[in-house]
Amino acid sequence: GAVVSQHPSWVICKSGTSVKIECRSLDFQATTMFWYRQFPKQSLMLMATSNEGSKATYEQGVEKDKFLINHASLTLSTLTVTSAHPEDSSFYICSARTPTNTEAFFGQGTRLTVV
Amino acid sequence: AQRVTQPEKLLSVFKGAPVELKCNYSYSGSPELFWYVQYSRQRLQLLLRHISRESIKGFTADLNKGETSFHLKKPFAQEEDSAMYYCALRTGTYKYIFGTGTRLKVLA
Repeated sequence: GAVVSQHPSWVICKSGTSVKIECRSLDFQATTMFWYRQFPKQSLMLMATSNEGSKATYEQGVEKDKFLINHASLTLSTLTVTSAHPEDSSFYICSARTPTNTEAFFGQGTRLTVV
Repeated sequence: AQRVTQPEKLLSVFKGAPVELKCNYSYSGSPELFWYVQYSRQRLQLLLRHISRESIKGFTADLNKGETSFHLKKPFAQEEDSAMYYCALRTGTYKYIFGTGTRLKVLA
């Protein structure tokens, strides 16, 4: 199957700083990428949907100025957590799909810890 | 409202016993349902999709529109089946809505 890679796998940052997480589709072109957040022992919550070359669509309750999403190419989407706070600590997962594929492929996730 | 419910957080069964992981959904359109599995320290991966009506690793799931359910079943559990299982609903815009997951523990 197709591979989606996230970088970094884990990151620790100080409160008030910004952190960028990359999501890459390694062997296919992803016209749509999704960003999820997963709290410990909870489900994945969709944060936003990004389509290549256009603005991301955020789910209700997700601050778009806090979680900046850029999908500049067909193989790369980035999520930037701006002015991070400890409550932003979580597991962030991206997934990607192609127009012709009915399956979404998931990255391995990025664990963010804000201290 | 679009929602996926997995009522059991944890399901423990003995090896060789049958397994049923429950999933109910709420969706006004025509649903597309999936089961994803997450083994320890690994990424989410697709296990089953309802449109394929396939059996993967001995697991099957049938979509019951009348009961709005998509339960995952396996007649004989194996230790390697121990993992986190997520039921997911895909909407017409290709958003995935996940249930809270069920941790399956297969005991020797």
